[in-house]
Amino acid sequence: AQSVTQLGSHVSVSEGALVLLRCNYSSSVPPYLFWYVQYPNQGLQLLLKYTSAATLVKGINGFEAEFKKSETSFHLTKPSAHMSDAAEYFCAVTPVSGSARQLTFGSGTQLTVLP
Amino acid sequence: KAGVTQTPRYLIKTRGQQVTLSCSPISGHRSVSWYQQTPGQGLQFLFEYFSETQRNKGNFPGRFSGRQFSNSRSEMNVSTLELGDSALYLCASTPGASGTGIKETQYFGPGTRLLVL
Repeated sequence: AQSVTQLGSHVSVSEGALVLLRCNYSSSVPPYLFWYVQYPNQGLQLLLKYTSAATLVKGINGFEAEFKKSETSFHLTKPSAHMSDAAEYFCAVTPVSGSARQLTFGSGTQLTVLP
Repeated sequence: KAGVTQTPRYLIKTRGQQVTLSCSPISGHRSVSWYQQTPGQGLQFLFEYFSETQRNKGNFPGRFSGRQFSNSRSEMNVSTLELGDSALYLCASTPGASGTGIKETQYFGPGTRLLVL
């Protein structure tokens, strides 16, 4: 079964610093990959997704992620953190069947932005 | 366009009871997926309904069931509640018609927080 591993359950950065959230997938066949964000007491919001069209994917709110097959990674980055970026971030993958409506999520990374 | 709505937002039940949660998708969306979110197990897929039929199912016991109505609203039911069923239950909707749905964006509701005592 497909799975994703998010390294670091908590990440703290200073406002204006680079944000790097790590995600590695386990699959012999490159899957579809997603990053979602969850703000307190809210549902999940899609930040971006990899669908094999391009390895560098740009998303909303200045986030981007690069798919690296050789490293089986799909890390999320943002050049300059903002206080409003504080939230929990989830990496997700489709199953072998490929249905994007049946996602397998990582354990999440809580991002704290320090003033 | 109104987003995905879930009712109720909060619920307290006792062990052994049953509970029904409701999800109204975005207008025009025909696929509804349900997820359970707990601190221990994280986010786990429960099932997906499309046009009143269950299309995909996760690895949950039969106590968890769902259905979808002709207006695409969906309900999930948990019978014989256990303490471990305490969780945030999220639903998500997509148009649903395309095969893998990869070209669609899944929109999540705010969730129903269930506490089992």
